Amino acid sequence: NAGVTQTPKFQVLKTGQSMTLQCAQDMNHEYMSWYRQDPGMGLRLIHYSVGAGITDQGEVPNGYNVSRSTTEDFPLRLLSAAPSQTSVYFCASSYSSGRGTDTQYFGPGTRLTVL
Amino acid sequence: AQSVTQLGSHVSVSEGALVLLRCNYSSSVPPYLFWYVQYPNQGLQLLLKYTSAATLVKGINGFEAEFKKSETSFHLTKPSAHMSDAAEYFCAVRGGTSYGKLTFGQGTILTVHP
Repeated sequence: NAGVTQTPKFQVLKTGQSMTLQCAQDMNHEYMSWYRQDPGMGLRLIHYSVGAGITDQGEVPNGYNVSRSTTEDFPLRLLSAAPSQTSVYFCASSYSSGRGTDTQYFGPGTRLTVL
Repeated sequence: AQSVTQLGSHVSVSEGALVLLRCNYSSSVPPYLFWYVQYPNQGLQLLLKYTSAATLVKGINGFEAEFKKSETSFHLTKPSAHMSDAAEYFCAVRGGTSYGKLTFGQGTILTVHP
């Protein structure tokens, strides 16, 4: 299994440009999430999905859109990039084991710079 | 709602010394608690997790953590630090059945001196 994969690894955008960060998992996990990591702030949840066709907002959703048309893919769209969106973005996936426990598996991250 | 506070953004220890990284949580429902480690320029790797089965949880690389409900704490320890333990450590909480929704602490950077 490749686990959770993210593309691209690095990206530089100009203010106002749009782009999509790709995330895919091959573990048939039902839950997928997007986080952003900023120095001194840990990771913050942007959007998450509990299954194909179902998404919801996290702590910092403004400026980002998501969709989940398949179990495997969960792309994150930046509609009009702003310098405040400069960050490292992590995608994660997990499944519930039926005892209330799960483990999130993280991708390698995408480092995004908005000029 | 859930929140996590990690006390100390930087912790420095000597090789062979005890490692103690502090984590306090707040949760309105029974919490599930996690410790993740991040090595430079990499993603996050699970060290251990508390799932209510046992209050003392053992993880990978010799780390363990104890869940103390009365203190709302889940501190991470390792008896003897190794140079390879140098990394950033994150405590995280999930409330109830909110799968896919982790709330992270700010992170603690561990430095290990020879």
